[in-house]
Amino acid sequence: DAGVIQSPRHEVTEMGQEVTLRCKPISGHNSLFWYRQTMMRGLELLIYFNNNVPIDDSGMPEDRFSAKMPNASFSTLKIQPSEPRDSAVYFCASSAHNQETQYFGPGTRLLVL
Amino acid sequence: EDQVTQSPEALRLQEGESSSLNCSYTVSGLRGLFWYRQDPGKGPEFLFTLYSAGEEKEKERLKATLTKKESFLHITAPKPEDSATYLCAVQAQDQNFVFGPGTRLSVLP
Repeated sequence: DAGVIQSPRHEVTEMGQEVTLRCKPISGHNSLFWYRQTMMRGLELLIYFNNNVPIDDSGMPEDRFSAKMPNASFSTLKIQPSEPRDSAVYFCASSAHNQETQYFGPGTRLLVL
Repeated sequence: EDQVTQSPEALRLQEGESSSLNCSYTVSGLRGLFWYRQDPGKGPEFLFTLYSAGEEKEKERLKATLTKKESFLHITAPKPEDSATYLCAVQAQDQNFVFGPGTRLSVLP
């Protein structure tokens, strides 16, 4: 299996622009998680889905952030408009059940200028 | 509020010098405690899951243990390739996941 796939791996954008991060979970996994990692705050859970349905989005920082999972093999995390404080590494992870092992993707490094 | 702390923040060991990393947690009903390893520029890599106090798991030079308030990751005779950041995470009964800040381990040859 190719593991969790994320794209792009690196993104540099200017403040105010829309940013879309993409994730393909491991085939057969029914839970998907979006995390943000910074030096200051460590790894933070933003949102997670079970069977394509958002279960808990309490970690989403504000309305500028939105996530979708239109099918079992694809999810997006969108930031609109982006701000410099959104600069971080964004990880996607998937698991077979939400209480079991999560497998992480390589992350997307986002820099908002 | 669910909370996870890890100590020490950073640890330098000589090759072969055994030690332990600590993960302390407060959570409203523990569903599981997870240990991950993260190398620079990469995503966290799963190591262990522990579900109940008294449980232990081993993998090569690593051994994880769990009590009602904390978990330890014991590293026996570490090698330079064990250098990484080790992350602890808990899942609460409400299914919320919380990660600790991590311990940066450096093993010198």
